[in-house]
Amino acid sequence: SYVLTQPPSVSVAPGQTANIPCRGNNIGGKSVHWYQQKPGQAPVLVVYDDSDRPAGIPERFSGSKSANTATLIISRVEVGDEADYYCQVWDGITDPDVIFGGGTQLTVL
Amino acid sequence: QVQLQESGPGLVKPSQTLSLTCNVSGDSNSSATVSWSWIRQPAGKALQWIGRVSGSGTTNYNPSLKSRVTMSLDTSNKQFSLKLSSVTAADTAVYYCARGQQVLLYAFYMDVWGKGTTVTVSS
Repeated sequence: SYVLTQPPSVSVAPGQTANIPCRGNNIGGKSVHWYQQKPGQAPVLVVYDDSDRPAGIPERFSGSKSANTATLIISRVEVGDEADYYCQVWDGITDPDVIFGGGTQLTVL
Repeated sequence: QVQLQESGPGLVKPSQTLSLTCNVSGDSNSSATVSWSWIRQPAGKALQWIGRVSGSGTTNYNPSLKSRVTMSLDTSNKQFSLKLSSVTAADTAVYYCARGQQVLLYAFYMDVWGKGTTVTVSS
């Protein structure tokens, strides 16, 4: 089955830009979605369809994608952005499956 | 604004069936692109999609859990349910319900989540 690979952790200073990668074979041909999960809380959708934001999500959250890597970009990082971030794709038509990456813990130094 | 709330036993014995219900309140959106999913997360681990049920009752399940999962939809009571049979300690997790959005055939994501409910499998 399809595999998404994320680094376990990313660290960034407040005010800087955080780039969280999500690698998958030919991920450029898939639609990638991103979720933020703070400790003890449910995930929240922050980016869908590679780079669109749901209502209420700050413009600081954006996404990009190349052939084999999708990236969640958080600009002007705030302490409140500290969380786990998961990428997700939809795989298959005849036997569909939802694939999550292993998650990346963002630490704001 | 749609809201989801999971309910069910917090403790299930090994080999028994785990049963959870998700109550949907607010404007649930009866669009053909909307479906209802279950996702779980063992402590300290990543999210795992369990499956979904569409508004018409069509189901899709994670291939690794397919043989043990049954999902159903009760539109009159605005709720959907999950049954997972023959549980073991490996099924201990926080279980979330969520609303899913299908975009043609190429994308599916979950835009509204319940708060989650912890289920422990233990004798």
